[in-house]
Amino acid sequence: DSGVTQTPKHLITATGQRVTLRCSPRSGDLSVYWYQQSLDQGLQFLIQYYNGEERAKGNILERFSAQQFPDLHSELNLSSLELGDSALYFCASSFMGLPYNEQFFGPGTRLTVL
Amino acid sequence: AQSVTQPDIHITVSEGASLELRCNYSYGATPYLFWYVQSPGQGLQLLLKYFSGDTLVQGIKGFEAEFKRSQSSFNLRKPSVHWSDAAEYFCAVGAVRYYGGSQGNLIFGKGTKLSVKP
Repeated sequence: DSGVTQTPKHLITATGQRVTLRCSPRSGDLSVYWYQQSLDQGLQFLIQYYNGEERAKGNILERFSAQQFPDLHSELNLSSLELGDSALYFCASSFMGLPYNEQFFGPGTRLTVL
Repeated sequence: AQSVTQPDIHITVSEGASLELRCNYSYGATPYLFWYVQSPGQGLQLLLKYFSGDTLVQGIKGFEAEFKRSQSSFNLRKPSVHWSDAAEYFCAVGAVRYYGGSQGNLIFGKGTKLSVKP
């Protein structure tokens, strides 16, 4: 158990819909990351937050947005969903959000868009 | 830009045999390197990491990796594979922002799936 929790575990929805994925970081960690894992793209970095502020952006679509709240949990919002958004979405956390900090991964949320 | 290449998509080894998974990175300075393992239906677990110092690093579950600057490689090894090692293995590099500031995301290779024959 990494200490990172993600809800829900599975999500099935239709094209055009909007969903919210939730992540609680490990106790004491200030930085949260979101990654997308798909068969064709592999593991892709989406966005990073540190202590409530956005720190870095990766290959995140404009239809996707995220935020980190004062209690440090984070939410990833996916809107106008397309079939290609079906993937496993991981949240990870680290202490200071630096490149040499170990990242602890949650179990993921599997999103299926029908 | 930084990148990671894992040349082998799928490897099958017999239980008890030795294992080496290859990883090459692209980065001018000394990178922050990681190996993660993902079991089916699970999240990623850190096996080991390298930042500096001794180029042979030991990790959990009997794994080790060797950093070779001249070959831009960070290969993962295990002397004797167990059936429970069947999983997907990811090599990653910690992203560094060239123009200053801090950035901490990981850049992953495509992964190597390990199957273990009894």
